Amino acid sequence: GAGVSQSPRYKVAKRGQDVALRCDPISGHVSLFWYQQALGQGPEFLTYFQNEAQLDKSGLPSDRFFAERPEGSVSTLKIQRTQQEDSAVYLCASSFKQGVAKNIQYFGAGTRLSVL
Amino acid sequence: AQRVTQPEKLLSVFKGAPVELKCNYSYSGSPELFWYVQYSRQRLQLLLRHISRESIKGFTADLNKGETSFHLKKPFAQEEDSAMYYCALSGDTNAGKSTFGDGTTLTVKP
Repeated sequence: GAGVSQSPRYKVAKRGQDVALRCDPISGHVSLFWYQQALGQGPEFLTYFQNEAQLDKSGLPSDRFFAERPEGSVSTLKIQRTQQEDSAVYLCASSFKQGVAKNIQYFGAGTRLSVL
Repeated sequence: AQRVTQPEKLLSVFKGAPVELKCNYSYSGSPELFWYVQYSRQRLQLLLRHISRESIKGFTADLNKGETSFHLKKPFAQEEDSAMYYCALSGDTNAGKSTFGDGTTLTVKP
């Protein structure tokens, strides 16, 4: 089966533009996570969904960042009025909620965002 | 608060030599620890997790709660082990959300 799919793979935005990043998780995975990975650093947690419910958004750096998963499958991370410091790789991961594979996260290839 | 520290950004060994990638963590409850690996031009993927207590591609890692460490070891490194390695922690109360270290780039020289 297909893994976690993210699009676009690369996005160049002018400062002040809005962007939308898409994540299509593995079918049947209840949990979905967004991470931000700056150059030379590990992934940093942004937000977490269980089905359509956003249970934790403590990692979102500002109110310019917004995520949704309206039908409990595909998720979109939106960044409004992009700033240069938003330049990073945005990773999406999904996982089972229960069973032996619980907490194992399956990652997408990421979207590399460059804000000019 | 939970934190993961990987003290070495870069690690270089010769093929056939032992390798140890260090990981220290801080968490007040009972964490679950993972090692993820990212090979060149590939996505991040799970290498092993402490509750499985298994060896994957010759790698092992033991959770030492006294020293709050989860070091990754392999007795004889291979060139194909060259990759970026991330240690990650998932807390027992936060539904699988993971905290990652900043990674160690392992290079195995021929």
